[in-house]
Amino acid sequence: DARVTQTPRDKVTEMGQEVTMRCQPILGHNTVFWYRQTMMQGLELLAYFRNRAPLDDSGMPKDRFSAEMPDATLATLKIQPSEPRDSAVYFCASARGTGGNEQFFGPGTRLTVL
Amino acid sequence: GENVEQHPSTLSVQEGDSAVIKCTYSDSASNYFPWYKQELGKGPQLIIDIRSNVGEKKDQRIAVTLNKTAKHFSLHITETQPEDSAVYFCAAGDPGNQFYFGTGTSLTVIP
Repeated sequence: DARVTQTPRDKVTEMGQEVTMRCQPILGHNTVFWYRQTMMQGLELLAYFRNRAPLDDSGMPKDRFSAEMPDATLATLKIQPSEPRDSAVYFCASARGTGGNEQFFGPGTRLTVL
Repeated sequence: GENVEQHPSTLSVQEGDSAVIKCTYSDSASNYFPWYKQELGKGPQLIIDIRSNVGEKKDQRIAVTLNKTAKHFSLHITETQPEDSAVYFCAAGDPGNQFYFGTGTSLTVIP
């Protein structure tokens, strides 16, 4: 049963610390999305990649957030330095890209910045 | 960019009754409209979708209708069951590319 995996599932950190979240997309999926979910803003797209190249990262605060795909099996989202307002659930989703409709979501990383 | 509005934000129904959630979108270029269900502590999961060249689609107790002219689409759940309780999100966009999500509807089915 293919699924998107995310680590860690929960992260508590102090303001100013670096946070790295990891995502393993479904094998064969070439499009990866990063979303942030909060009660106030709902599901916001932060960035997405196709074939490891960034297509759109306009939703991401550039000064502190960065997203990369070191290889086809790993996507990372980093926050440095973290702030309390970054507290949210971060979801990764993957899709087959061309011809694929569904975005398959991972279980999310719940981030709390104290 | 696209703007998706979703109503209501909360919905309570008696078990066995029907539930309807409505969404509107602004960008006529959007051609794909998925609905996701999110259970507590989990990621959203696709339950049904519809493309812009189709007016209605049904899958057992779930159906989606699309009015492309009016730019609105709806989710219909019939014979609701307690396990249907969850948050439901509509979205609009282009398959394989960016989706724009609604703000979610928290559905509670009362046994």
